[in-house]
Amino acid sequence: AQKITQTQPGMFVQEKEAVTLDCTYDTSDPSYGLFWYKQPSSGEMIFLIYQGSYDQQNATEGRYSLNFQKARKSANLVISASQLGDSAMYFCAMTLIRGDDKIIFGKGTRLHILP
Amino acid sequence: SQTIHQWPATLVQPVGSPLSLECTVEGTSNPNLYWYRQAAGRGLQLLFYSVGIGQISSEVPQNLSASRPQDRQFILSSKKLLLSDSGFYLCAWCKGGYNQPQHFGDGTRLSIL
Repeated sequence: AQKITQTQPGMFVQEKEAVTLDCTYDTSDPSYGLFWYKQPSSGEMIFLIYQGSYDQQNATEGRYSLNFQKARKSANLVISASQLGDSAMYFCAMTLIRGDDKIIFGKGTRLHILP
Repeated sequence: SQTIHQWPATLVQPVGSPLSLECTVEGTSNPNLYWYRQAAGRGLQLLFYSVGIGQISSEVPQNLSASRPQDRQFILSSKKLLLSDSGFYLCAWCKGGYNQPQHFGDGTRLSIL
C-alpha cells in the first residue's frame, strides 16, 4: 500500500538557518508525483513544490528545494534562510498515475522558527 | 486565474442538525474536486472526490455525503451531525494528472455541540 511518512512531529529552528523536513514514501508504482504543502495557523493549505518520479533534477522554488533520493524513497524539503513566517505545519504528499488523482498526505511536521 | 471559494468559514451546529458546506471553483472547467477533513493537529483525511458532474467517490463510510450538481460546485452534506463530525473541512480542486497540485479553499471550522 502507498504510504507517506514524516518522522518529525515538531522542529525548532533559529531564524536565518536552513531547515530540512524529512519525508519518506512507499509505493511499488514507478510513476508518481511528490508535493509539499504549507499550512499556517490560519488553516489554508499552500502548495510549495512538486517533484515527478522521472525528473532527473531536484525541484527548486525560491527558498524551497526538494532533495529527491529515489533509491532511498525520500523527498526531503529544504528551506534556505528560514524566516519567522515559515512557522507552520508542513505536509508531504504523493499522487499516483491513475485515473482518480488522489493525493496521500503524511501526518505533517510542525516547524517553529525562533527569532 | 483560478480561484476556489469555500463557505462558511466557521460553523457551530448542535448534534443531530443537518449540514451543508459549499465549494465553488472559478476560472477552470471540469476540475477534479475533493473534500477533506482535518482533526486538530492532525493530517488530512480524504472524504470524497469527484472527477465529473454527478460522479462521487467516497473514501470513508460515514454519515456525510457529497454532491456535484454543477461542474464547478461541490457540496458536503449531512442529515444528522454527530459529535465526531467536528473538525476542519477543506475543499480542493486540481486539473487532473499526477503532476498537478491540488489547490485548497480556506476551510470551514465545524464545531458540534
